[in-house]
Amino acid sequence: GAVVSQHPSWVICKSGTSVKIECRSLDFQATTMFWYRQFPKQSLMLMATSNEGSKATYEQGVEKDKFLINHASLTLSTLTVTSAHPEDSSFYICSSLTSTDTQYFGPGTRLTVL
Amino acid sequence: AQSVTQPDIHITVSEGASLELRCNYSYGATPYLFWYVQSPGQGLQLLLKYFSGDTLVQGIKGFEAEFKRSQSSFNLRKPSVHWSDAAEYFCAVEGDSSYKLIFGSGTRLLVRP
Repeated sequence: GAVVSQHPSWVICKSGTSVKIECRSLDFQATTMFWYRQFPKQSLMLMATSNEGSKATYEQGVEKDKFLINHASLTLSTLTVTSAHPEDSSFYICSSLTSTDTQYFGPGTRLTVL
Repeated sequence: AQSVTQPDIHITVSEGASLELRCNYSYGATPYLFWYVQSPGQGLQLLLKYFSGDTLVQGIKGFEAEFKRSQSSFNLRKPSVHWSDAAEYFCAVEGDSSYKLIFGSGTRLLVRP
């Protein structure tokens, strides 16, 4: 199957700082990627759809100015959590959409904000 | 609105026993259906998917799922569970052209030795 990587796998930061998470599709090109958030023992909640070369589409209730998404190339999307606060601590997972309309997921990034 | 229900929060089976994880969806037309597995602290791995055609879908790791339109179900099955199958399983539906996935709440599988 298609391989998607995320970096970093985990990050700890101080409250008020910004954190960037990278999502890469390693062996295929993806014009569309997705960012999800997962709280402990819960399901994945879609945050936004990242489209190469255009603005991301955010789900209702997700602050676009807080969660900045940049889809700079066909293999890379980044999520920047700006001015992070403890309530932003979560597991962030990205996925890339293949040409067969299937999402392949990255291994996730665990963010802890102190 | 599209939705996915996984009625079992957790299931425990003995190693070697058969397994069935339930998934019910709500969508007016024929949905695209997926099963993913998540090991602790990991991302999701695609087990299988249904888009159209044969309603019995074969996946990786010996899993299969059957799409039953009359019951709005897409249950996941495996004839003989291995200890390494212990994980969280998510059913998902994609119901429109945006490729967005709606996930169920997940079922945690525990395997007894």
